[in-house]
Amino acid sequence: KQEVTQIPAALSVPEGENLVLNCSFTDSAIYNLQWFRQDPGKGLTSLLLIQSSQREQTSGRLNASLDKSSGRSTLYIAASQPGDSATYLCATYNTNAGKSTFGDGTTLTVKP
Amino acid sequence: SQTIHQWPATLVQPVGSPLSLECTVEGTSNPNLYWYRQAAGRGLQLLFYSVGIGQISSEVPQNLSASRPQDRQFILSSKKLLLSDSGFYLCAWSPGGRYGYTFGSGTRLTVV
Repeated sequence: KQEVTQIPAALSVPEGENLVLNCSFTDSAIYNLQWFRQDPGKGLTSLLLIQSSQREQTSGRLNASLDKSSGRSTLYIAASQPGDSATYLCATYNTNAGKSTFGDGTTLTVKP
Repeated sequence: SQTIHQWPATLVQPVGSPLSLECTVEGTSNPNLYWYRQAAGRGLQLLFYSVGIGQISSEVPQNLSASRPQDRQFILSSKKLLLSDSGFYLCAWSPGGRYGYTFGSGTRLTVV
């Protein structure tokens, strides 16, 4: 059974700092890994989707990497802004399971 | 483009009352559909998923049921709500897991 872990559960940084969020998973037989953002009381917004054959994906100030062999993914946020404050979740899609497994998320606070 | 609609946004129901939450997807056909529940400060718990009309897979034995009466419609129901059914309910769709998930805006259910 796939387990997805995100550490730390919470992170606070000053505005302008570059930061990395971590996601680890136990079963490397994944089809893809997806990063989401969730604002309080809202649904999940997809940020980046990395297929198992890819090493990284970029969108604006966000860069997500994937290392299947080590069971790790990172989400890099450059030049953080207060508007980046949210909970970030990662999810792996395992072909065998036919569904995604989500981490519990990292709550990011960017202080002005 | 594809869109997902979920309603209502908030709901306060007394214990023992019935529940019906609806989710519809536009702009695609034969989507995979999912119902998740998110308890306060917790991760996502998969409740039900469906790969086609009338096909429902249940992940967690509970007081809830799901139905898919039409290709792009997914309904979460309960005959009698419990206090423990309170939470944030999210609907999601995918054209197939390898393409990632798209979430609705969620329903905040409070059972009193």
